[in-house]
Amino acid sequence: DAGVIQSPRHEVTEMGQEVTLRCKPISGHNSLFWYRQTMMRGLELLIYFNNNVPIDDSGMPEDRFSAKMPNASFSTLKIQPSEPRDSAVYFCASSFRGPGPQHFGDGTRLSIL
Amino acid sequence: DQQVKQNSPSLSVQEGRISILNCDYTNSMFDYFLWYKKYPAEGPTFLISISSIKDKNEDGRFTVFLNKSAKHLSLHIVPSQPGDSAVYFCAASGSGGSNYKLTFGKGTLLTVNP
Repeated sequence: DAGVIQSPRHEVTEMGQEVTLRCKPISGHNSLFWYRQTMMRGLELLIYFNNNVPIDDSGMPEDRFSAKMPNASFSTLKIQPSEPRDSAVYFCASSFRGPGPQHFGDGTRLSIL
Repeated sequence: DQQVKQNSPSLSVQEGRISILNCDYTNSMFDYFLWYKKYPAEGPTFLISISSIKDKNEDGRFTVFLNKSAKHLSLHIVPSQPGDSAVYFCAASGSGGSNYKLTFGKGTLLTVNP
């Protein structure tokens, strides 16, 4: 059973560069979530989609962050331009719509120099 | 403003003993609660959940207790094993409308000593 797949696993780039994180949810799941984990703030929800439609993006920190879900099997989180304070682990998760567990990918560790 | 709080950053127990991890919440609209386990360099893995209509849910060595009046839940692991050493996150959601997003606590690092 393929779980949630994220790429890349690690990304190191210089400040000002564009960063694109990718996620493939579990087949059949219709909700997708992007989280960011930092030491200071823990796991924070950035945005989530139901049936490919963004439902709540109130956690997106600023306009430099954007997320898309062009189809049921793919989503991207883009940061442009990136800043050192964006350094964190970014997780993608998916679930069936409704109360129930979300299944997480192994994350992308992002370092902005 | 933290709506889900795990006040113990770490906990150390002996193998075979009980581990009790605690979680408090402030939002009375939360009605579904979950525990996740996380190993280093991996994503959180779902462990067990409980709906607000219940006060206990059990799955093998893992039991979650919910005290709605105190807005408190706990995870009991009996007996604890060294492989249980991980960070444990408490999470909560409200099922009103289409809002099933999870709010997480900051986690408790459990160390089970052989």
